[in-house]
Amino acid sequence: AQTVTQSQPEMSVQEAETVTLSCTYDTSESDYYLFWYKQPPSRQMILVIRQEAYKQQNATENRFSVNFQKAAKSFSLKISDSQLGDAAMYFCAYSPTGGGNKLTFGTGTQLKVEL
Amino acid sequence: NAGVTQTPKFRILKIGQSMTLQCTQDMNHNYMYWYRQDPGMGLKLIYYSVGAGITDKGEVPNGYNVSRSTTEDFPLRLELAAPSQTSVYFCASRRPASFYGYTFGSGTRLTVV
Repeated sequence: AQTVTQSQPEMSVQEAETVTLSCTYDTSESDYYLFWYKQPPSRQMILVIRQEAYKQQNATENRFSVNFQKAAKSFSLKISDSQLGDAAMYFCAYSPTGGGNKLTFGTGTQLKVEL
Repeated sequence: NAGVTQTPKFRILKIGQSMTLQCTQDMNHNYMYWYRQDPGMGLKLIYYSVGAGITDKGEVPNGYNVSRSTTEDFPLRLELAAPSQTSVYFCASRRPASFYGYTFGSGTRLTVV
């Protein structure tokens, strides 16, 4: 079974600074998808960024980028120029390409943004 | 464009009562899912469906039942509610093999007392 591990329950960052959230996963598959979701206090799940395992190039979405290390099974999220609106719970998630495409989530990292 | 709609948003149940959480999507997605999120934890899969008439268990199915009679609807039934079922429940949908992940509903906060 696949597992996703987020070892940082909480992180803090100063406004306008950069922060990196860590995620590791375990799978025997060679092709899969990885995601970062943001959950603000409204509890809505918002997709932040996604990565296909067969693509070596790291995904980027505006201020959000990932460092995907397939051999190490690592998928970290970097947030640049942090803003107050980035404060939220962030979940890393893994999905196989088949088998119902079920998402397996990590336990989350609570990000605080300080003035 | 409603996306995934969950009702109710909040509910308090007494131990032993039953209820159905409703989930409807208007995007013609074949795949639908039910997750629960306990306080401070990630989401755990309860049941999922890859199409009308097809359902399968996830990681934590005990105490729950589902049905999928149409593409649009995927209700979750709680029988004999227990305090351990106090949680936030999320319904989600996606196209098969979609790179774009899930579309989530806004969640149902359920308290069993």
